[in-house]
Amino acid sequence: QSALTQEASVSGTVGQKVTLSCTEAKNNIGSYTVAWYRQVSHGAPKTVMFGNSLPSGIPDRFSGSKSGTTSSLTISGLQPEDEADYFCSTWDYSLNAVVFGGGTKLTVL
Amino acid sequence: QVQLVESGGGVVQPGRSLRLSCAASGFTFSVYAMHWVRQAPGKGLEWVASISYDGSNEYYAESLKGRLTISRDNSKNTLYLQMYSLRPDDSAMYYCGRGRQLVADSWGQGALVAVSS
Repeated sequence: QSALTQEASVSGTVGQKVTLSCTEAKNNIGSYTVAWYRQVSHGAPKTVMFGNSLPSGIPDRFSGSKSGTTSSLTISGLQPEDEADYFCSTWDYSLNAVVFGGGTKLTVL
Repeated sequence: QVQLVESGGGVVQPGRSLRLSCAASGFTFSVYAMHWVRQAPGKGLEWVASISYDGSNEYYAESLKGRLTISRDNSKNTLYLQMYSLRPDDSAMYYCGRGRQLVADSWGQGALVAVSS
């Protein structure tokens, strides 16, 4: 069982806005940086959101937010190439460990 | 351009040891913490270990403690992961990541480890 909870799957049509969530029972999300990673066909992870910053090369239709113990990744104007697995990650202070969500499979219909 | 290149993966028999390397370039390696993460076939990302920028602090996944050593050589811009007493469930793709604000902001392409007799 993952320390961070993500939807197992989310789907949307081209052009739609979708929001992926990452929730925890502790308060690490509120205190530490949350990163979001995209992984296509089990290839290398690629960072798509780091805290509130968009890494170089990631289109600005990706955005991130935090509220309490939940971090969200929103993709506006969904594109076929956005279809991938998305993982969230943060630091767990009590475990002294990096923790990951179980991942969300995003399908573009 | 941040570049991380893992090497040292392969097929290894249960009970044996293996050392992975991660060669870093494109940034000042000695000022960044580093992470190892793995992914078993069909599974999600699992944190393995982290090391501070100067190597003075090491952190390990509880389930793997005692069978791993993370280390770095800042003079060679290289991160290492020494794994001992390997088991079949250690079979995975192992990724190194550059650390920033306690999580990873860049990743390598991975090194595949298969533990099998």
